[in-house]
Amino acid sequence: DVKVTQSSRYLVKRTGEKVFLECVQDMDHENMFWYRQDPGLGLRLIYFSYDVKMKEKGDIPEGYSVSREKKERFSLILESASTNQTSMYLCASSQGASQPQHFGDGTRLSIL
Amino acid sequence: AQTVTQSQPEMSVQEAETVTLSCTYDTSESNYYLFWYKQPPSRQMILVIRQEAYKQQNATENRFSVNFQKAAKSFSLKISDSQLGDTAMYFCAFMTASKLTFGTGTRLQVTL
Repeated sequence: DVKVTQSSRYLVKRTGEKVFLECVQDMDHENMFWYRQDPGLGLRLIYFSYDVKMKEKGDIPEGYSVSREKKERFSLILESASTNQTSMYLCASSQGASQPQHFGDGTRLSIL
Repeated sequence: AQTVTQSQPEMSVQEAETVTLSCTYDTSESNYYLFWYKQPPSRQMILVIRQEAYKQQNATENRFSVNFQKAAKSFSLKISDSQLGDTAMYFCAFMTASKLTFGTGTRLQVTL
């Protein structure tokens, strides 16, 4: 089974802090994704990556950046956290253009 | 741009009964995939069922089946013999070029 591991289940940070959310997958998948999930809005794509050192903006990239130095690891960075970034963050990975995405357990991030 | 609409924010069904969750989508693409994901209170997103747009036959996975109407751009999920463990948030999702677009979800409660 594919395992997608997010480093923290819950995280509390302060406004203005630089925040790192880490995601690791163990199936050598090419594609990795970061979403945020908010009530009534579903999941929205922040950034994705098709390969190492490669990144593409999703639908809501403002205020975020990403890093993919190794194939198995995809990091989401909040450069200067703000309260409107309080949300659930989900990481996913997939292999190929037609394959389903496999998700991690999510990180519930609170910015105070 | 693709959009996915789930018009039922909440539904309830009694154990052993059948329930249908609706989903419509809008796209100009001809080659795409459709998914239903389940998110129980444990938060992990779990793939329920997958449908290729080029296949006319409706996908089935045990108690879960879909009614895929390509011309109407409709993709509903039928859950037969509902079980308490089916209680979850259900998301319909559209995929093209590896990217998923999600609906806003339907919260399903299975009752005794």
